[in-house]
Amino acid sequence: GAGVSQSPSNKVTEKGKDVELRCDPISGHTALYWYRQSLGQGLEFLIYFQGNSAPDKSGLPSDRFSAERTGGSVSTLTIQRTQQEDSAVYLCASSLQQGPYNEQFFGPGTRLTVL
Amino acid sequence: KQEVTQIPAALSVPEGENLVLNCSFTDSAIYNLQWFRQDPGKGLTSLLLIQSSQREQTSGRLNASLDKSSGRSTLYIAASQPGDSATYLCAVRTGAGSYQLTFGKGTKLSVIP
Repeated sequence: GAGVSQSPSNKVTEKGKDVELRCDPISGHTALYWYRQSLGQGLEFLIYFQGNSAPDKSGLPSDRFSAERTGGSVSTLTIQRTQQEDSAVYLCASSLQQGPYNEQFFGPGTRLTVL
Repeated sequence: KQEVTQIPAALSVPEGENLVLNCSFTDSAIYNLQWFRQDPGKGLTSLLLIQSSQREQTSGRLNASLDKSSGRSTLYIAASQPGDSATYLCAVRTGAGSYQLTFGKGTKLSVIP
């Protein structure tokens, strides 16, 4: 079946603008994760969804970052008033169920460039 | 706080060589460890997942071992090929609730024909 998809694949924006990044998880997967991969920083966890609720938002770097998930499926990560340090690849992953033993499957990512 | 370290940061080998990539983690209370491959401009491809109760996993030319008590894992690649050139990431799953992955910064592998 189809894997995790993300859109857009690339996004270039000007400093101060808002952006929305979209993630379509694998059908039937209830757990969804957002990660960020910055140059030199490695991959960092941002937020976790179980169904439509986000019990763990501990990785969001500031209140300019928010995310939602609707219908237990599609998720949108929103960055308000973008800054140059927000430039990174944003990766989404999904897993079948909550729990530590369920493998996470990753999407291709969205490369965000803030000028 | 869990920290994951991968050594070396970059590695260049001639085609056909066997090689080992290293991963270490500071908190041994992990649920599992996963090795990923990332090609330039692409997402992550899962290679091997080792549960905490397991010692190793094998897939084709790849073999990953886990020594949870010492906080170490190795990824062994046999008979390397130019197509193996990529960045290899190690990640561990710890904590409760979200069970997010904590990643190392990766080893960039170049296999020279």
